[in-house]
Amino acid sequence: ELKVEQNPLFLSMQEGKNYTIYCNYSTTSDRLYWYRQDPGKSLESLFVLLSNGAVKQEGRLMASLDTKARLSTLHITAAVHDLSATYFCAVDMNFGNEKLTFGTGTRLTIIP
Amino acid sequence: DSGVTQTPKHLITATGQRVTLRCSPRSGDLSVYWYQQSLDQGLQFLIQYYNGEERAKGNILERFSAQQFPDLHSELNLSSLELGDSALYFCASSVDRGQYGYTFGSGTRLTVV
Repeated sequence: ELKVEQNPLFLSMQEGKNYTIYCNYSTTSDRLYWYRQDPGKSLESLFVLLSNGAVKQEGRLMASLDTKARLSTLHITAAVHDLSATYFCAVDMNFGNEKLTFGTGTRLTIIP
Repeated sequence: DSGVTQTPKHLITATGQRVTLRCSPRSGDLSVYWYQQSLDQGLQFLIQYYNGEERAKGNILERFSAQQFPDLHSELNLSSLELGDSALYFCASSVDRGQYGYTFGSGTRLTVV
């Protein structure tokens, strides 16, 4: 059974600082997704990573995927208050088995 | 607006009752997925339909059922509701096989009292 672990679960950081959220998964897959969720809201797609070594950047967020290590990272550069949210990584197995298995989420709070 | 439409946004009902949640996928998406988000279980996959046919099943209770209609909208039926069924229910859609990602609707918040 595929398991997805995120750490940390909670992250409080000051504006302007850098930090990384880690996502480990238990079974071989080369398909990983990052989502953002504001309280009580929907899941907003941030990144789709579909191959080993994939790196994508959008604004202050950068995501990478290492399929050999079964690890993805979400790096936050010079955090701003607007980035406060819960971030989820999710993995699906392969073609024909596209159901997403989500990590527990990382609740990020940016302090002015 | 993600393009995935879910109705209703909020639903309050009593234990033992039955409700139907509705989802319209993004235009052109053939796959519809249902997820449940609760504080104790996190985000859990329930069921997937592709072009009208059930493709995958997760930890969906026997009291729950779903279907996808010829116009590709989907309904999730929850019956004999229990307090523990209170959760956010999300629908997601994808073009085909998730290679362009999965787009989520705004969810239906179900409260069972």
